[in-house]
Amino acid sequence: QVTLRESGPALVKPTQTLTLTCTFSGFSLSTSGMCVSWIRQPPGKALEWLARIDWGDDKYYSTSLKTRLTISKDTSKNQVVLTMTNMDPVDTATYYCARNGRGNSYAFDIWGQGTIVTVSS
Amino acid sequence: SYVLTQPPSVSVAPGQTARITCGENNIGSKSVHWYQQKPGQAPVLVIYYDSARPSGIPERFSGSNSGNTATLTISRVEAGDEADYYCQVWDGSLGIFGGGTKLTVL
Repeated sequence: QVTLRESGPALVKPTQTLTLTCTFSGFSLSTSGMCVSWIRQPPGKALEWLARIDWGDDKYYSTSLKTRLTISKDTSKNQVVLTMTNMDPVDTATYYCARNGRGNSYAFDIWGQGTIVTVSS
Repeated sequence: SYVLTQPPSVSVAPGQTARITCGENNIGSKSVHWYQQKPGQAPVLVIYYDSARPSGIPERFSGSNSGNTATLTISRVEAGDEADYYCQVWDGSLGIFGGGTKLTVL
């Protein structure tokens, strides 16, 4: 059974750096074609893709946020970490990690439950 | 930049067919994926690669993609289908979501 779970602070202050961890099981990020992405959703708004890391350690970022984002993986721990610098209240959202892969045209087939992050002083 | 346009809302009576569109120039050249999201829950993949159904998704859900429009079709709509639906593509290495469509079952 494939599962993903997001963890991180529920509250961050403006200008701080957010660090989120996605811990997964049931698949390996060292398997060719496998990827993990981060997606967020502000309250009452649409989904927004943030970043993706691939089995070969290739990394891709949202054009509008790439200067603030860093994605990395620890294959031995089955974890993917996303950092976002210079947090602002507009970054308040539910943050999801999701598996995607070449086998299903990189659709996000399994999602974590999401973690709510509020940015406020 | 690539922008996926969805109608904000679609309403349908139980038992009828709902069609949710996702538009962009030449979207037919891309693989389109569709997600269902119910209030307070994470999204669920309901259609991938334009028209493929993941295991566990009812046959009532189908998809098509041609020209400038991709369409998610839900046949014999049930009350439990009421949710937000999002289309998604990859524009090169960038993930793009549509703005979402709220499906209301009357």
